[in-house]
Amino acid sequence: ETGVTQSPTHLIKTRGQQVTLRCSSQSGHNTVSWYQQALGQGPQFIFQYYREEENGRGNFPPRFSGLQFPNYSSELNVNALELDDSALYLCASSLDVNTEAFFGQGTRLTVV
Amino acid sequence: AQSVTQLGSHVSVSEGALVLLRCNYSSSVPPYLFWYVQYPNQGLQLLLKYTTGATLVKGINGFEAEFKKSETSFHLTKPSAHMSDAAEYFCAVSGMDSSYKLIFGSGTRLLVRP
Repeated sequence: ETGVTQSPTHLIKTRGQQVTLRCSSQSGHNTVSWYQQALGQGPQFIFQYYREEENGRGNFPPRFSGLQFPNYSSELNVNALELDDSALYLCASSLDVNTEAFFGQGTRLTVV
Repeated sequence: AQSVTQLGSHVSVSEGALVLLRCNYSSSVPPYLFWYVQYPNQGLQLLLKYTTGATLVKGINGFEAEFKKSETSFHLTKPSAHMSDAAEYFCAVSGMDSSYKLIFGSGTRLLVRP
């Protein structure tokens, strides 16, 4: 149990729709990172938020966007869903940008 | 740019046998290296990490890894496999930009035969 919780655990969306995934960080953690893990692959870095500001972004299109709130909870939004967006989305929080990342259990997104 | 290569997408061992999972990295700067384990339908759990100092790193559940700069390797070992070790294992290197993002390998699935 890492103290990082993600919701929902599973969801199914239709191509072209929009989706919001949520992450509650471990208490006191000011940094949150999001990763996409396609089936059979390692996680890929989407972006990171530090104290409510974006602090790094991976090779993902602008339709992937995020927010971090004053309580350091976070959202990942994906617009215009594509079939290839089907994946496990992992949230990881850390005390600071260069400290250990604690992962949530993930949200399994299926786009049909 | 940093990258990680894990040799062998599947490794099968007998219970009680040595576990060896291979990881090679590419980095232009001294790397931070990690091994994570992922059980089915779960997130990632940190097994061990190397940042600086001693090159032999001990982690949880009896795992250890050795940083070998000359070989650009960070292989994961465990002397005696247990059935509960069956899982997916990921090697990762930390990016050296401001985010210290994790760059993962493609993973190795460890199967443990009774």
